[in-house]
Order: sequence, then C-alpha cells, then structure tokens
Amino acid sequence: AQKVTQAQTEISVVEKEDVTLDCVYETRDTTYYLFWYKQPPSGELVFLIRRNSFDEQNEISGRYSWNFQKSTSSFNFTITASQVVDSAVYFCALSELGGGSEKLVFGKGTKLTVNP
Amino acid sequence: EAGVVQSPRYKIIEKKQPVAFWCNPISGHNTLYWYRQNLGQGPELLIRYENEEAVDDSQLPKDRFSAERLKGVDSTLKIQPAELGDSAVYLCASRPRTGLGNEQFFGPGTRLTVL
Repeated sequence: AQKVTQAQTEISVVEKEDVTLDCVYETRDTTYYLFWYKQPPSGELVFLIRRNSFDEQNEISGRYSWNFQKSTSSFNFTITASQVVDSAVYFCALSELGGGSEKLVFGKGTKLTVNP
Repeated sequence: EAGVVQSPRYKIIEKKQPVAFWCNPISGHNTLYWYRQNLGQGPELLIRYENEEAVDDSQLPKDRFSAERLKGVDSTLKIQPAELGDSAVYLCASRPRTGLGNEQFFGPGTRLTVL
C-alpha cells in the first residue's frame, strides 16, 4: 500500500535561514507522481510542484528546490533564505494508479513557522 | 480564472443534525474530488467524480454520507446524521482531465464543527 511519511511535525526557523522539509514515500508501483502542496492559514492547498517517477532531476524555482532520490524513496523540499510568508503547513503527496483508480495520498504535513 | 468555490466556509451544528456542503469546480474541470482533513492530518479522499459518475467512493462512509454531482458540474456532499467525529475540514478539488499526475486545484474548504 502507498504511504507518505513526513517525520517533522513542526519546524521553527528565523527569517533568512534555510530549511529542509523531509518526505519519504512507499509504493509498489513503478509509475507514480510526487507532489508538494502548501496550506497557508487560509486553508486552501496550493500546488507547488509535481515530479514523476522517471525524472530524478532536481528542480529549483526561485527560493524553492526539490531533491528527488528514488534510491532512498525521498522527495525533500528546501526553502532557501526563508521568509515570514513561507509560514504554512506543507504536504507531500503521492499519486499512483492502483486497481485502475488513481489515488492521491498525503502525508500528515509539516508546519513551518518562520519568525522575523 | 476563478478557483474552486466552496460554501459555506464554516458550519456549526449539533450532533444528529444533517449538513450539506457545496462545491463549484473550476470551469471545464471534469474530475472533482471531496476530501476530509482532520486536525493535524493530511486530506483523505472521500469520493472522486469523473463528470457525473462517482468512480471511486470506496472511502465514503455510506451509512451517513452521500454525494451527488448532477450535470457533471457542481457537487454537494451531505452528512445525515452528523456525529461528533465528523468535525473536520471538508475540501473540494478539481482538475481538468483524467490522467496520472495532473495536479488538483483545491478550494478553501468548509470547516465543520459538530457539538
């Protein structure tokens, strides 16, 4: 069965620090997708990135970067020079096609607090 | 482009009362999802629609929960009767088409409190 583990429940940093959010997943499929979503206090989940299982290239988008390693089943997310506006709950999610029905499974989330 | 719209944003009811949530997906999105998010947890899928057909409702507690998506656009999720354990945020999401890997777009959710 698929599973996503975000071991860090809460992280608190000071503005301008770098921070890495960990995500470890389990799946028996060879074809799957991994996602990161951000959930600010307003409650709406905001899509950040998608990565498919055949593309292990790391990606950078501004202050955000993602490190995908199939060998360790990890898809970690780093925020460089964090800002107060980065404060939110971040969810890692896995999507696979199981039994003909696609399912998106979320981790429990990591609450990030960036203090000024 | 308007996002996924949900109403109400907040709902407080007493146990055993019925409650309904409404969702209007992004225009043109064929796939619609309902998720439940308990406090401190990630969202969990309740039901998925492709147009007006419920293609995955395996996680929906059918004894008290029901959903519909008439005409393949708006959707309503109902709980009758509500129990204390139903207190959660109910999220609606949509995406343009079936296909592994397409991201889902989420609404702001309805926060339900059952007293």
